[in-house]
Amino acid sequence: EAGVAQSPRYKIIEKRQSVAFWCNPISGHATLYWYQQILGQGPKLLIQFQNNGVVDDSQLPKDRFSAERLKGVDSTLKIQPAKLEDSAVYLCASSLGPGGEQFFGPGTRLTVL
Amino acid sequence: GEDVEQSLFLSVREGDSSVINCTYTDSSSTYLYWYKQEPGAGLQLLTYIFSNMDMKQDQRLTVLLNKKDKHLSLRIADTQTGDSAIYFCAVVHGSSNTGKLIFGQGTTLQVKP
Repeated sequence: EAGVAQSPRYKIIEKRQSVAFWCNPISGHATLYWYQQILGQGPKLLIQFQNNGVVDDSQLPKDRFSAERLKGVDSTLKIQPAKLEDSAVYLCASSLGPGGEQFFGPGTRLTVL
Repeated sequence: GEDVEQSLFLSVREGDSSVINCTYTDSSSTYLYWYKQEPGAGLQLLTYIFSNMDMKQDQRLTVLLNKKDKHLSLRIADTQTGDSAIYFCAVVHGSSNTGKLIFGQGTTLQVKP
């Protein structure tokens, strides 16, 4: 069974630029999560999707972050414009349903200069 | 809000037992998890315990839960160099029916040969 795929693995941008991350969950997994992991901290949930609907985006900085999962499969997370404090690893995870075991992708390491 | 705390660093010798501790604030958390993160990789679920259990053993791993003190521990028997990684405690947000996970900041386990 293929795991959660993410791309790119690494991205370096300058502040005020835009960036997008892509996630392909495990086939059949209805729930998809985006987490932000700042160096030295645990992951923090940014947004959770159930199929193509948003379940929880309470910690998503909506003035600059957006995410979509239009067909209920792949998802993209966008930052526009980026700030220095957005430097982090962005992890995507998926599960069969809410509360199910979450399987994590390798993450995208973002550096904002 | 929910808070999860871990000690930051633990160093042991190969063959010794490792004990990683975690405290949390929300007594209504239902599931409590331990994840392992190796350099450059996503999180791997090691084990979990349901809140009505005191102990769970899985091969070299033993999880102890003290609900009264809101304390969770992970014991790794016969620790090997391959166990060197960051270990995260995570709890399901008590009031969440979405399975939202709250992570600790991670404990770096260093295993010396």
